[in-house]
Amino acid sequence: GAVVSQHPSRVICKSGTSVKIECRSLDFQATTMFWYRQFPKQSLMLMATSNEGSKATYEQGVEKDKFLINHASLTLSTLTVTSAHPEDSSFYICSATTGGRAYEQYFGPGTRLTVT
Amino acid sequence: QQQVKQSPQSLIVQKGGISIINCAYENTAFDYFPWYQQFPGKGPALLIAIRPDVSEKKEGRFTISFNKSAKQFSLHIMDSQPGDSATYFCAASRDDKIIFGKGTRLHILP
Repeated sequence: GAVVSQHPSRVICKSGTSVKIECRSLDFQATTMFWYRQFPKQSLMLMATSNEGSKATYEQGVEKDKFLINHASLTLSTLTVTSAHPEDSSFYICSATTGGRAYEQYFGPGTRLTVT
Repeated sequence: QQQVKQSPQSLIVQKGGISIINCAYENTAFDYFPWYQQFPGKGPALLIAIRPDVSEKKEGRFTISFNKSAKQFSLHIMDSQPGDSATYFCAASRDDKIIFGKGTRLHILP
């Protein structure tokens, strides 16, 4: 089956610093990748959709200058949380799809970000 | 606007029993309805999915029942096992994105 990895699995950073999270499709080429945010005991909230080689499409209410997404290749997308604040602490999950169809998404294991 | 409503929020079932989770949707443009299973600290994994032209789909102990006219669908877990204890999300999808329900935390008593 299709495998998606995320790195790091956990990260702690200080307030005001930036942190980068990587999402990789290991055995397939991902034309589209999605980034989600999940608060404890809550559902997944879509943050943005990124297509290889083009700018990400952000959901309403998500600050594109704060959450920088880069999808430079068909197997790698990165999410950079800039000038992190404690309220950015969350579980970030990426997913990838081969054909651009939302339901064929394969999810990564998630990254736990804690901002102190 | 909550496009996919899921209930119950939490569920406790005895081992061997049937776990039932219900979802309702609003947008008739959705054309795919997946269920995801998520363990603590992990990403969600696709469990089973159904299209609106089918009323029921069964895979092992997991069954989706779909009522298009009522815009409702449900997940049934037969012979529930302690290993099924997880959070389950229903979802609805159209071409560009998946909308998740709020999740049901299922606990199977040994």
